[in-house]
Amino acid sequence: DAMVIQNPRYQVTQFGKPVTLSCSQTLNHNVMYWYQQKSSQAPKLLFHYYDKDFNNEADTPDNFQSRRPNTSFCFLDIRSPGLGDAAMYLCATSRDQEPTADTDTQYFGPGTRLTVL
Amino acid sequence: GIQVEQSPPDLILQEGANSTLRCNFSDSVNNLQWFHQNPWGQLINLFYIPSGTKQNGRLSATTVATERYSLLYISSSQTTDSGVYFCAVLATSGTYKYIFGTGTRLKVLA
Repeated sequence: DAMVIQNPRYQVTQFGKPVTLSCSQTLNHNVMYWYQQKSSQAPKLLFHYYDKDFNNEADTPDNFQSRRPNTSFCFLDIRSPGLGDAAMYLCATSRDQEPTADTDTQYFGPGTRLTVL
Repeated sequence: GIQVEQSPPDLILQEGANSTLRCNFSDSVNNLQWFHQNPWGQLINLFYIPSGTKQNGRLSATTVATERYSLLYISSSQTTDSGVYFCAVLATSGTYKYIFGTGTRLKVLA
């Protein structure tokens, strides 16, 4: 089955120690998104790639970076995690930036829950 | 930017009951989606519904874009319906950014 895969599902890091979260997709979608979701809150978009074009949200801290080496993979790098960065990180894909049909909607991975000690 | 509010914020139902969840948005949108986030955190797309009405089994949704609201109906609720329901709208001004609503946390009791 075509899907969105996130690894690892759970990640523990130390305060200030760089961490990388990974996302892969078998859907061959053009767009890949990274969201941060804190407890009891809605997902918040950090950035997205449309093909190789990177789109950063204005309020995303510089501490968060992303790479998309090819269509299938996208990485979230947190350069110096703070306690406030503990959250669920969700990767999503879509065929295009603006859906026009059911098949164009976002597909989410299972998420990576990040703990910062 | 667009504000997306959902109501009620929390809902407890007995198994078999029906419910209506509401999503209000502050500006016109080109599309709207409903998602269910299960207790393990997985977000599942329920409906892509920029306008009109759709049904899928026990779930149906209606969006009245001109009045800036959408409704999600759950009939004959089951314990597996528990979780958080989000609506998300697409902001097309400048950048293609999905804005998620505040969510409705649903608990269905056996």
